Amino acid sequence: DAGVTQSPTHLIKTRGQQVTLRCSPKSGHDTVSWYQQALGQGPQFIFQYYEEEERQRGNFPDRFSGHQFPNYSSELNVNALLLGDSALYLCASSLDRLNTEAFFGQGTRLTVV
Amino acid sequence: QKEVEQDPGPLSVPEGAIVSLNCTYSNSAFQYFMWYRQYSRKGPELLMYTYSSGNKEDGRFTAQVDKSSKYISLFIRDSQPSDSATYLCAMSLAGGTSYGKLTFGQGTILTVHP
Repeated sequence: DAGVTQSPTHLIKTRGQQVTLRCSPKSGHDTVSWYQQALGQGPQFIFQYYEEEERQRGNFPDRFSGHQFPNYSSELNVNALLLGDSALYLCASSLDRLNTEAFFGQGTRLTVV
Repeated sequence: QKEVEQDPGPLSVPEGAIVSLNCTYSNSAFQYFMWYRQYSRKGPELLMYTYSSGNKEDGRFTAQVDKSSKYISLFIRDSQPSDSATYLCAMSLAGGTSYGKLTFGQGTILTVHP
């Protein structure tokens, strides 16, 4: 089992650009959540997808959007990038929406210059 | 005030020591409590989770939850250099509008030296 895989691992973008990050959940997991982790901080919840719909959302602006596909994989899109969007973006998958046993990917390190 | 507070450390201990990591929280509705370990440049790895109050043991790790004090702890016995990592506490609700959202502490950096 490959676990949760994210791509790309690193990314450098310019302010104002748009970015798409991708996540393949652990086999059998149908719930995907996205988190933003700034340097030296704990992960912050962005949103959760289940049955191809956004079910929960954290305190992030509409510039952050996502999608879940029928095979449960997911994308995170960020528009109009700001310098403050530089962070490690983590995808987590789980068997249920409670997320008591969430498995995280290795993350995508996004740098906005 | 953050919902979950965690002393960032850093914490440095000798090999074999007992390590105590702690978090406090303000939302009394939290029901699930997790501990994650995160190595440098990796994603968090779940160590264990506990529902409501009480203790849970898994090998060298013991998690304790005291809901009356809004305080949780993770103890690591016989610490090893391989335990050197950032330890994150996380909490979630069992229902309501934030169902399934994990709220993390800042993380405590632990170094176990030989």
